[in-house]
Amino acid sequence: ETGVTQSPTHLIKTRGQQVTLRCSSQSGHNTVSWYQQALGQGPQFIFQYYREEENGRGNFPPRFSGLQFPNYSSELNVNALELDDSALYLCASRDIQAGTYEQYFGPGTRLTVT
Amino acid sequence: RKEVEQDPGPFNVPEGATVAFNCTYSNSASQSFFWYRQDCRKEPKLLMSVYSSGNEDGRFTAQLNRASQYISLLIRDSKLSDSATYLCVVNNPGRDDKIIFGKGTRLHILP
Repeated sequence: ETGVTQSPTHLIKTRGQQVTLRCSSQSGHNTVSWYQQALGQGPQFIFQYYREEENGRGNFPPRFSGLQFPNYSSELNVNALELDDSALYLCASRDIQAGTYEQYFGPGTRLTVT
Repeated sequence: RKEVEQDPGPFNVPEGATVAFNCTYSNSASQSFFWYRQDCRKEPKLLMSVYSSGNEDGRFTAQLNRASQYISLLIRDSKLSDSATYLCVVNNPGRDDKIIFGKGTRLHILP
C-alpha cells in the first residue's frame, strides 16, 4: 500500500451538481497532483498543489478547482458537473524537495454523472 | 505530436514469451521517465524508473534513448500475472512542470 488515501471510493451525481473529492498524501510527501482517467485512456493531469498553492495545471476548465491544507491533504472540487466528467479521479503524492518525480497514487474515486 | 505516445495495443502474448513496449515523448527537455503498471479498475503503480544508462529489475528492463526521445520496456519470461496496462510517464518541464502519462498499452498473457 502507498499510504495515499482517497474518499469517497464511488460517487453518483447529477449533471449540474457540485462535487468535492478528498485525498490524504503519503507521510512525508508535500506535493499532491490530481488526474482524471476516462475509460480506456491514460490519466490526464488536472493540477498540482505544493505549499497550499496550485503550481501546475493541465487543460481543464476553471470549474475544476482545488485546495491543499497545511497537513498536505488536498481536495478537488468540480462545479456544474457534466456527463463527460464521469471518470476515475486519482490523486498522487510525492516529495518535490527530494528532486524526484516518482509519485504514488491513491485508489481513486469513481465518479458517475447522470 | 502528442506529448507521450505509446503502442496502441492490446498485446496478446503466450506465457513465457518476451514482450517489448515502446514510448516516444515530444519535449526534449524532459528529464524523468517512468513505467507504471495499472491493473483493471485499480490505480497505477510505479513499476520502475528509467535511467539514462538503462536499468534492469529482474525480468524487466527499461531503456532510454534521448536522441530519439524514445523509452522502452522489455519483459522477459512473461507470467500470467504480468497481464495489465503499462503506462509510460514523462515529466514535462516548463511553466507547469507537469507529469504526463501515455494512453497505456494493454498486455494479455495467454496460458
